[in-house]
Amino acid sequence: AQSVTQPDIHITVSEGASLELRCNYSYGATPYLFWYVQSPGQGLQLLLKYFSGDTLVQGIKGFEAEFKRSQSSFNLRKPSVHWSDAAEYFCAANDYKLSFGAGTTVTVRA
Amino acid sequence: EAQVTQNPRYLITVTGKKLTVTCSQNMNHEYMSWYRQDPGLGLRQIYYSMNVEVTDKGDVPEGYKVSRKEKRNFPLILESPSPNQTSLYFCASSQGLAGYEQYFGPGTRLTVT
Repeated sequence: AQSVTQPDIHITVSEGASLELRCNYSYGATPYLFWYVQSPGQGLQLLLKYFSGDTLVQGIKGFEAEFKRSQSSFNLRKPSVHWSDAAEYFCAANDYKLSFGAGTTVTVRA
Repeated sequence: EAQVTQNPRYLITVTGKKLTVTCSQNMNHEYMSWYRQDPGLGLRQIYYSMNVEVTDKGDVPEGYKVSRKEKRNFPLILESPSPNQTSLYFCASSQGLAGYEQYFGPGTRLTVT
């Protein structure tokens, strides 16, 4: 069955430190891949998306993601985290149906 | 401003009392869907609609109904709510399905007692 897995439920990172969130997908062929962010009390906002081509994708708010076909992964990174990056992050994939991972909550400590 | 609106934002109700959560988008999107968000489970799709009068079940449709009589509106109906439907609900819209960004509403927090 098609699925998206986010292995980390919760990550705590210091302000200014780097952040990496993991995402693995299980699909027959490479699906379209997305990262969304949900700030407290808000809906979801698209950070970036991957369709094909370059394996490093740039998004908004200084985020980037790297697609690795051999590992079926699409990990999200940010070089230097700001306090405003505290949120829940969802990886998603679709071909004919959109599936979300369970989400990773990011806490930023001062 | 392009947006998806949902009403109400918060709702507390009792078991068995029919309710409707409205969803409206102003982007002329053809595809609309409803999700519920529960801790540890992420977002799970309840129903989706490819166009007016075309709806289909998602992953967790039991206990829910939808209709799509107009392109911009996609209400979610709980005819006999139960406590296990206590959740955070999101409506979303997009130009299409495969590869298109989903635009999400602000969410509706539903509590069924």
